[in-house]
Amino acid sequence: SQTIHQWPATLVQPVGSPLSLECTVEGTSNPNLYWYRQAAGRGLQLLFYSVGIGQISSEVPQNLSASRPQDRQFILSSKKLLLSDSGFYLCAWSVVLGGFSEAFFGQGTRLTVV
Amino acid sequence: TQLLEQSPQFLSIQEGENLTVYCNSSSVFSSLQWYRQEPGEGPVLLVTVVTGGEVKKLKRLTFQFGDARKDSSLHITAAQTGDTGLYLCAGVLDSNYQLIWGAGTKLIIKP
Repeated sequence: SQTIHQWPATLVQPVGSPLSLECTVEGTSNPNLYWYRQAAGRGLQLLFYSVGIGQISSEVPQNLSASRPQDRQFILSSKKLLLSDSGFYLCAWSVVLGGFSEAFFGQGTRLTVV
Repeated sequence: TQLLEQSPQFLSIQEGENLTVYCNSSSVFSSLQWYRQEPGEGPVLLVTVVTGGEVKKLKRLTFQFGDARKDSSLHITAAQTGDTGLYLCAGVLDSNYQLIWGAGTKLIIKP
């Protein structure tokens, strides 16, 4: 069965520090991978998605970047965090089969920039 | 531009009452999903609808996909406190298979 691992679960970082959140998927090949950010009690904002190794699409201009060094690994990074980067970050994967796609999520990372 | 409008944004009702959450769009979707999310966790898939006019039932939850595949609804009968959570709809665009999310409905069921 497929599983997705996302870490860390919580993170407190000072303003100006770097960030690296990692996500790995097991049990599937060539998944679509996503990074989302979610404000408290609200919907999901797509930050980045990737359809293959080294292929990254950015949805929202921001202080963040993403990389996909391996087929099932997706990394969210920042060189210098801002206070506004605080939030709940979710990694997800999906496989599109004839227009049918379901997203499966990691447990999320609660990032607080202080 | 919000391609998938979800309403209401917030709903607080008494246990035992019925409720309906809506997702509407001008775009056509090849499939549409409903998710439920608990605080501090990722969303979990409840159901996927793929055929226009389709109705799926999951115990007290009824999901409907519009005939034109542009809208969907989630109806909960006799709500229970355990139904409390954030409900999200997501659609796969027919044009490019991109997954689009609604903004979510925060549902609170009071005992």
